[in-house]
Amino acid sequence: GNSVTQMEGPVTLSEEAFLTINCTYTATGYPSLFWYVQYPGEGLQLLLKATKADDKGSNKGFEATYRKETTSFHLEKGSVQVSDSAVYFCALRSQGGSEKLVFGKGTKLTVNP
Amino acid sequence: DTAVSQTPKYLVTQMGNDKSIKCEQNLGHDTMYWYKQDSKKFLKIMFSYNNKELIINETVPNRFSPKSPDKAHLNLHINSLELGDSAVYFCASSQPQGYGYTFGSGTRLTVV
Repeated sequence: GNSVTQMEGPVTLSEEAFLTINCTYTATGYPSLFWYVQYPGEGLQLLLKATKADDKGSNKGFEATYRKETTSFHLEKGSVQVSDSAVYFCALRSQGGSEKLVFGKGTKLTVNP
Repeated sequence: DTAVSQTPKYLVTQMGNDKSIKCEQNLGHDTMYWYKQDSKKFLKIMFSYNNKELIINETVPNRFSPKSPDKAHLNLHINSLELGDSAVYFCASSQPQGYGYTFGSGTRLTVV
C-alpha cells in the first residue's frame, strides 16, 4: 500500500539556520504530494503541494520538489524563524481508488532565538 | 467564516459514556473525513464520506459510527468510550484528486 516516511525528529535549529526535512514515499502511479504544518494547539494547515514530477511547491519561504526518480519530496527553507516552530507532516494522495491522504509520522521542529 | 468547523473543541468524559463530535464545512466540498491523531502525533484516517455515502471505513472499532445527514456535515458518535479513545480527532473535507484537504481545528477527547 501507499506509505510516507519522514525523518525522525525532533529537529532543533537556531534562528536563520537552513532547514531540510526528508520525505520519501511509496505509491503506485503518480500521487500528489503535500506538506502540512501543525502549530501548537492548532489543526493542520496545507503548507505546499506538488501534483506531478519535477513540480516545485513553495509557500512562506518553504519549498519542496517532487522527485519521481528518488520518490522524494524533501522540505527546505533557507532561513528559519522562531515562528516556524511546529510539527511538519509529509503526505501523499494517490490517484483513483479511495484517494485518501496518507501521512508520514510528522517531524517536530523547534527554532531557538 | 470558518471553512471546516468542529464542536466541541475539548471533551472530557468518563469511561463507558457515549459522546458525539460534530463537523460542518462551508466549502462546497463533496468528500469529508475523520482522522485520529494519537499522543505521538500520528494521523490515521478513520472514515470518509462522499456525498453522504461511506467510501472509506478503516479498521475502527464498531463503537465508532459516523453519520452524514448531508454533504456539508459529518458527525462522529462514539459509544462506550474507553481510555484508549483519548486523542485529538480531526475532521477534514476535500475536492477530488490533486487537491489537499482542509482540516478543522480538532477535538481533544480525554476519557477518564
